[in-house]
Amino acid sequence: EAAVTQSPRNKVAVTGGKVTLSCNQTNNHNNMYWYRQDTGHGLRLIHYSYGAGSTEKGDIPDGYKASRPSQENFSLILELATPSQTSVYFCASGDTGYEQYFGPGTRLTVL
Amino acid sequence: AQSVTQPDARVTVSEGASLQLRCKYSSSVTPYLFWYVQYPRQGLQLLLKYYSGDPVVQGVNGFEAEFSKSNSSFHLRKASVHWSDSAVYFCAVSIFVATGGNNKLTFGQGTVLSVIP
Repeated sequence: EAAVTQSPRNKVAVTGGKVTLSCNQTNNHNNMYWYRQDTGHGLRLIHYSYGAGSTEKGDIPDGYKASRPSQENFSLILELATPSQTSVYFCASGDTGYEQYFGPGTRLTVL
Repeated sequence: AQSVTQPDARVTVSEGASLQLRCKYSSSVTPYLFWYVQYPRQGLQLLLKYYSGDPVVQGVNGFEAEFSKSNSSFHLRKASVHWSDSAVYFCAVSIFVATGGNNKLTFGQGTVLSVIP
């Protein structure tokens, strides 16, 4: 069965600090995605990747960087975290079937 | 660009009643359509999907959805809901970009379903 895992599951960070959210998939999917979920906005796409070594900007990329070092791993990086980045972050993977498989989410609080 | 509207932010029904959650989309071409469900403190799980063919598609747990090109809609239905169906339901669309290309999903804002026992 498709499996996407995320770490950490919960994170408290300080304003101005660096935060790295990690995602691992065992589906062997080419595409991976990072979303954030906020009340009233649904899910919004931050960054995505076509495969190892590639990253692309999504709809709301400002303040975020991404890294895809391998087929299985996709990280989201907040170089200078701000309180406005407090949210729940979801990673997903998908391939030619077009549906995406989601991880359990990371709850990030920036104080 | 495509967009999705779920006009009902919250729906409350009694256990055993029928259910319809509405989804309207906007796209320049016929999109691929999905319904996802999110239970509390969990990620999104795929309920069903429509790519082409029969406009009524069956999903898990007795859910089905009907695609209407003329109405630009993809409404979700269930004949008899159970209290365990209480969750947030998201409609999503994507369009075919190119073979091997990306398939970005655009989500609606979600509908919170509460089932009263």
